[in-house]
Amino acid sequence: KQEVTQIPAALSVPEGENLVLNCSFTDSAIYNLQWFRQDPGKGLTSLLLIQSSQREQTSGRLNASLDKSSGRSTLYIAASQPGDSATYLCAVRVGGFKTIFGAGTRLFVKA
Amino acid sequence: EAQVTQNPRYLITVTGKKLTVTCSQNMNHEYMSWYRQDPGLGLRQIYYSMNVEVTDKGDVPEGYKVSRKEKRNFPLILESPSPNQTSLYFCASSFGLSYEQYFGPGTRLTVT
Repeated sequence: KQEVTQIPAALSVPEGENLVLNCSFTDSAIYNLQWFRQDPGKGLTSLLLIQSSQREQTSGRLNASLDKSSGRSTLYIAASQPGDSATYLCAVRVGGFKTIFGAGTRLFVKA
Repeated sequence: EAQVTQNPRYLITVTGKKLTVTCSQNMNHEYMSWYRQDPGLGLRQIYYSMNVEVTDKGDVPEGYKVSRKEKRNFPLILESPSPNQTSLYFCASSFGLSYEQYFGPGTRLTVT
């Protein structure tokens, strides 16, 4: 059974720092992996989608990588800002249209 | 504006009183799905639909029903809600398996 783990569970950094969030999954048979951001009490905002055949995707200050063979993805945030404070979730899409989410990393960027 | 909408956004109800949470998308997406989010358990998939009249169970389908009679709508039905169904519910949609999922704003349900 596919399991998705995100480490660390929480992270506090000073403004301007570059940081990496980790997502690992136990079964490499995935269709894609998607990173989301969730603000408190709000819905999920899609950040990046990486197909299983891709190695990375970039959007602005965000870069997501995927190493399917090792079951790992990282989300790199450059020059963090207080507005980046949120919970970051990764989700893998597996066979049968199922989606498995990690528990998330709660990020706090201090001004 | 392309979006996924859910109604109601907030609902307090009593045990056993049937309820429906509606979900609608205006992007002509084939795939729709329902999730629940609980503290410490994260987001878990309840049901999903690959197209009209095609639905399948996710990881936590017990106590829920769904139907997909129209492409744009995917209602979640709780025939006899219980307190353990108190949760934050999200609907999502996408063009298909290889496309990103778009989420609705969520419905906070409390069952007393």
